[in-house]
Amino acid sequence: LAKTTQPISMDSYEGQEVNITCSHNNIATNDYITWYQQFPSQGPRFIIQGYKTKVTNEVASLFIPADRKSSTLSLPRVSLSDTAVYYCLVGGGGATNKLIFGTGTLLAVQP
Amino acid sequence: ETGVTQTPRHLVMGMTNKKSLKCEQHLGHNAMYWYKQSAKKPLELMFVYNFKEQTENNSVPSRFSPECPNSSHLFLHLHTLQPEDSALYLCASSQVGGTSGHTDTQYFGPGTRLTVL
Repeated sequence: LAKTTQPISMDSYEGQEVNITCSHNNIATNDYITWYQQFPSQGPRFIIQGYKTKVTNEVASLFIPADRKSSTLSLPRVSLSDTAVYYCLVGGGGATNKLIFGTGTLLAVQP
Repeated sequence: ETGVTQTPRHLVMGMTNKKSLKCEQHLGHNAMYWYKQSAKKPLELMFVYNFKEQTENNSVPSRFSPECPNSSHLFLHLHTLQPEDSALYLCASSQVGGTSGHTDTQYFGPGTRLTVL
């Protein structure tokens, strides 16, 4: 299973765009890249998933370079309610559906 | 979101008690998971069930006993727990397989906050 590395914490202000980068040098050919958001004492919530290039949905964009060894979650115009822990995971391909959560990135949005 | 529900939401138990956590998914998924999240720690995968069959036991102590009677329900039976077992227990489900590969997006319930005295 590919290991991921992401910053422990980030600070931002309301209205700014936030980019959180994740490294996954050992990603396997059929692994997907998935990002989750978790608020305190709640279950993680799926944000976005991609395999390559760029994926965009109503809440975020995911940028994946050609070598797929990293990915960047982009949150446009964050608000206070975006303060949470963001997890980057790789996996979901192949014979196992086992996902490994790392320590995640604590995003703190200030007024 | 009510796709994955968990009961109870909070549970306090003594070390000699026996209790069960329940998880139900309404998403038509065929895989279900139990995770443990201790304070200030990442989620730890405990068990995985695919099509009601256990496919992963992540070296979990036997005082935790999972049960998956069908693809929609998952239980975690607890007995003789230790104070260090106090944590948030999360259930998740996903759709596994498919002709075009699968993305294995996991959908989580709200969790059960367990306190062992």
